[in-house]
Amino acid sequence: DAGITQSPRHKVTETGTPVTLRCHQTENHRYMYWYRQDPGHGLRLIHYSYGVKDTDKGEVSDGYSVSRSKTEDFLLTLESATSSQTSVYFCAISESTGATSSGGYTFGSGTRLTVV
Amino acid sequence: AQSVTQLDSHVSVSEGTPVLLRCNYSSSYSPSLFWYVQHPNKGLQLLLKYTSAATLVKGINGFEAEFKKSETSFHLTKPSAHMSDAAEYFCVVSVRAGNNRKLIWGLGTSLAVNP
Repeated sequence: DAGITQSPRHKVTETGTPVTLRCHQTENHRYMYWYRQDPGHGLRLIHYSYGVKDTDKGEVSDGYSVSRSKTEDFLLTLESATSSQTSVYFCAISESTGATSSGGYTFGSGTRLTVV
Repeated sequence: AQSVTQLDSHVSVSEGTPVLLRCNYSSSYSPSLFWYVQHPNKGLQLLLKYTSAATLVKGINGFEAEFKKSETSFHLTKPSAHMSDAAEYFCVVSVRAGNNRKLIWGLGTSLAVNP
């Protein structure tokens, strides 16, 4: 998707290893999000960021950490990967989510992670 | 509690016939509502959004949705299905969360279009 890229697109890793997924945007949007998508669960928010060094937990944050040292990059780290973290991970950006705004999100193409 | 319910997990239509994907929501405040589409092995794309303006919202690819507050519904429709419409569709509500907003996602409706 234009303006937002995720890397890698696919990754296979072993249980217990750390994994970092990267989301990069060129839109200068303030808000960035990490979701995971699993059959039967839809999209679930892992972590989000509302600015550089400002992050917060979503509904399924256990086992994940994030960092945002620059506006354009939002990193998702699995400290010690488990098989339950096999999923498709999506990054999203939005210009604003203030109380009076309601813009849609722009999504990356996703990262398919398999933990074996 | 705030929630989104997509009433059908799978919908199958014939090419050229109308499409109806149903969505009901529960929100304490006037919500913003969205429909996203996900084609196989692709990311998510915004189809349309309702943000308290006109209740009938037109989106891309001939889709539209009508916000009905009395029925707490935001159903997605298209007059004539095309093969390329086969995809997963998500209804989403944006609600207040402190000074920010958060998205609540439906579980998706898989649309199949038969020739």
